[in-house]
Amino acid sequence: GEDVEQSLFLSVREGDSSVINCTYTDSSSTYLYWYKQEPGAGLQLLTYIFSNMDMKQDQRLTVLLNKKDKHLSLRIADTQTGDSAIYFCAESKGTSGTYKYIFGTGTRLKVLA
Amino acid sequence: GAGVSQSPSNKVTEKGKDVELRCDPISGHTALYWYRQSLGQGLEFLIYFQGNSAPDKSGLPSDRFSAERTGGSVSTLTIQRTQQEDSAVYLCASSPRERDEQYFGPGTRLTVT
Repeated sequence: GEDVEQSLFLSVREGDSSVINCTYTDSSSTYLYWYKQEPGAGLQLLTYIFSNMDMKQDQRLTVLLNKKDKHLSLRIADTQTGDSAIYFCAESKGTSGTYKYIFGTGTRLKVLA
Repeated sequence: GAGVSQSPSNKVTEKGKDVELRCDPISGHTALYWYRQSLGQGLEFLIYFQGNSAPDKSGLPSDRFSAERTGGSVSTLTIQRTQQEDSAVYLCASSPRERDEQYFGPGTRLTVT
């Protein structure tokens, strides 16, 4: 389908790991992104992964990509209260001049102290 | 350096009036994107510019919406004869080139009464 799907809510305790999942639409999508949106702010790029990679690690963030299932996940280790935000996954696909970015609905992460 | 800026930050307008929303991208960024974020919804792609041309206008919801970009820099999104369902946060993003990661502005919150 045309929708990038994410669960709407996730609640974790401070110090635990958070895993946010995403199913995207097109196995030929070349870049997959995770963005973070804090209250009242615009989106901020957290990390991205190129489609020929299975995993990317960046400090507390680990991105896993399963191209066969079109599944993307973001793991946040040692989750902190400052990680509370909405997390969007997005894919970019197409060719020059026709690129399309499709964003998911966002997962609202709540970190409990 | 300066990020993406948008103005106004908030706009309240009466149903039927026209509004103009402005986006100043990061200097040197060739690609510019407009999105709409309704309450509790994900990002809805509206239009993107590569330079001054708009290869993809498919996301514009109706012919009341139009956008232009001049000098490869500033862009304006115009909504004519606003309706209550146009109420949303309108986000602008820019990227150095197509397919690069996007840098988002803080958004314009539009309320149509």
